[in-house]
Amino acid sequence: DIVMTQSPDSLAVSLGERATINCKSSQSVLNSSNNKNYLTWYQQKPGQPPKLLIYWASTRESGVPDRFSGSGSGTDFTLTISSLQAEDVAVYYCQQHYTLLKWTFGQGTKVEIK
Amino acid sequence: QVQLAESGGGVVQPGRSLRLSCTASGFTFSNYGMHWVRQAPGKGLEGAAVIAKDGSIEYYADSVKGRFTISRDNSKNTLYLQMNSLKPEDTAVYYCAKDKPYDGSFWGLGTMVTVSS
Repeated sequence: DIVMTQSPDSLAVSLGERATINCKSSQSVLNSSNNKNYLTWYQQKPGQPPKLLIYWASTRESGVPDRFSGSGSGTDFTLTISSLQAEDVAVYYCQQHYTLLKWTFGQGTKVEIK
Repeated sequence: QVQLAESGGGVVQPGRSLRLSCTASGFTFSNYGMHWVRQAPGKGLEGAAVIAKDGSIEYYADSVKGRFTISRDNSKNTLYLQMNSLKPEDTAVYYCAKDKPYDGSFWGLGTMVTVSS
């Protein structure tokens, strides 16, 4: 199975500053037939299910603020929050769905206000 | 409006069984694989089981293999998770979720399962 590893495990960022979360997969999640990376990013707040932020590694879900962006390809990916807001305090997960039906998640990154 | 509603959670003793259900509405349930994802208290997300849209394929996490069985009834738009021989480490919130998040990401609110004597 594909193993997803996030870094850091947690970070504290000042309001209005940039937050960067990295995600690395143990094998490529790029499908060469359609040139899409099967990599999604979720945000989870306490007591809530995960909320989809980014799919195909860089496509923002409808309604997600444009301060959230995703980048990367193959095995290395990044989620960036360009200007951290108070409501962005949450745990963020990357997930791969490259292998049909098989999901694996990173361990999560907790984002807090400094 | 899309909705996934889990039910069947509760407190159960180690070694006992529990059956979870997830009722779907607002999308064509039979067109998608479905997942059970669990989250132990204070921990991350773990894919516990998944079933193909027609029920022909099932996958399980190693931690539940041989004890849990996923199934679905497309005529009732319902997903199930039969959990046998429960262990304290199965204590978690269990979410059902639709496959292919790029085609609409739908998760239920979750149901809590507590395994304790």
